[in-house]
Amino acid sequence: KAGVTQTPRYLIKTRGQQVTLSCSPISGHRSVSWYQQTPGQGLQFLFEYFSETQRNKGNFPGRFSGRQFSNSRSEMNVSTLELGDSALYLCASSLGPTLERGTQYFGPGTRLTVL
Amino acid sequence: AQTVTQSQPEMSVQEAETVTLSCTYDTSESDYYLFWYKQPPSRQMILVIRQEAYKQQNATENRFSVNFQKAAKSFSLKISDSQLGDAAMYFCAYRSPSGNTPLVFGKGTRLSVIA
Repeated sequence: KAGVTQTPRYLIKTRGQQVTLSCSPISGHRSVSWYQQTPGQGLQFLFEYFSETQRNKGNFPGRFSGRQFSNSRSEMNVSTLELGDSALYLCASSLGPTLERGTQYFGPGTRLTVL
Repeated sequence: AQTVTQSQPEMSVQEAETVTLSCTYDTSESDYYLFWYKQPPSRQMILVIRQEAYKQQNATENRFSVNFQKAAKSFSLKISDSQLGDAAMYFCAYRSPSGNTPLVFGKGTRLSVIA
């Protein structure tokens, strides 16, 4: 079975631009979660989607948004980029949101650099 | 809110030796899952091992095993016969039984393996 895939792997943007990151979960997985990883803040939860519905959202400004499609693929969007948005963005998928089905498997991440 | 603490920011081990990484967590819930993830320099987060809180038996995956002490809220990872490829950041994580809470990560322990 193919793992979680994320595209693009690397991105360079300038302040004020917007960016869209994509995540394709493992086949059969219906939950997708997004995390931001920085050296200073560590791993921070962004949001979680299940069956096209956002189930949970982390403490990030409204510039960060996401969505999930009917095929479980997910995208996250960051508008009006700031220097502090430079980070590794990780996507993880699981069968579902419940404990028994909630073991998360991660993609390789998208490295975003904001200049 | 649940918290996960990894008190060792860095550790090192000689090749072929055994090392134990510590993790403690705080929760009032009785059922939950605990995880150890490995993040090598390639940055892909890899699931190492999972422990269900209702299981008294400690989980084992090849050279990786855990010492789960539920009453003490402790979840340490033991790596036996350490190999150069074990060098990575190791994250301890907690998953609540509630489907509306995200995976909670510790800040990680950087493990170096000395040849």
